[in-house]
Amino acid sequence: QQQVKQSPQSLIVQKGGISIINCAYENTAFDYFPWYQQFPGKGPALLIAIRPDVSEKKEGRFTISFNKSAKQFSLHIMDSQPGDSATYFCAPTLWAGNMLTFGGGTRLMVKP
Amino acid sequence: NAGVMQNPRHLVRRRGQEARLRCSPMKGHSHVYWYRQLPEEGLKFMVYLQKENIIDESGMPKERFSAEFPKEGPSILRIQQVVRGDSAAYFCASSPIEGASDYGYTFGSGTRLTVV
Repeated sequence: QQQVKQSPQSLIVQKGGISIINCAYENTAFDYFPWYQQFPGKGPALLIAIRPDVSEKKEGRFTISFNKSAKQFSLHIMDSQPGDSATYFCAPTLWAGNMLTFGGGTRLMVKP
Repeated sequence: NAGVMQNPRHLVRRRGQEARLRCSPMKGHSHVYWYRQLPEEGLKFMVYLQKENIIDESGMPKERFSAEFPKEGPSILRIQQVVRGDSAAYFCASSPIEGASDYGYTFGSGTRLTVV
């Protein structure tokens, strides 16, 4: 599997702050860039995803920014809330493929 | 509309025993994927199945691991002669079509296997 690197590994943010998580990938063939959110004891759940024809996508407080030339994409969580405390995974893949390539995860803690 | 159902949630096996993990996909989903998650790591792809067919098993260890998705019933991930290194969380996901989609892959809550 191609390497996918996430940073930071852990992140502490005050309530109302902005959380930023980055993902770098190697496989230039990837054309689907999702972020998954995982709570303890649960499986990952799709949070937001982007295709490479756009550079940014916003859904509520969550935004993906995509930089094709740098082979990076990031997740921004605006007005972070304690309920956002979870582990976040990027999982770039091929739209026509059949497997997700997960990053190592970022554990986010939002302090009240 | 039940999601992806995995059982058991927790499984303890002694070294050398067999572990059998079950996954029932979401209604209407005919594509099943198994992933393994070691502590503090991301999920690693193991195998992709459709009904009665293994499509991609490139992430499966060559020995002791097998998977099936019969015409009737849940998908089964079988680990024979378990070793301590098999201790992990095993997640099943399902999708309505092959490949990614705006619906993503729906994951179950996982089976946490502990080998003692």
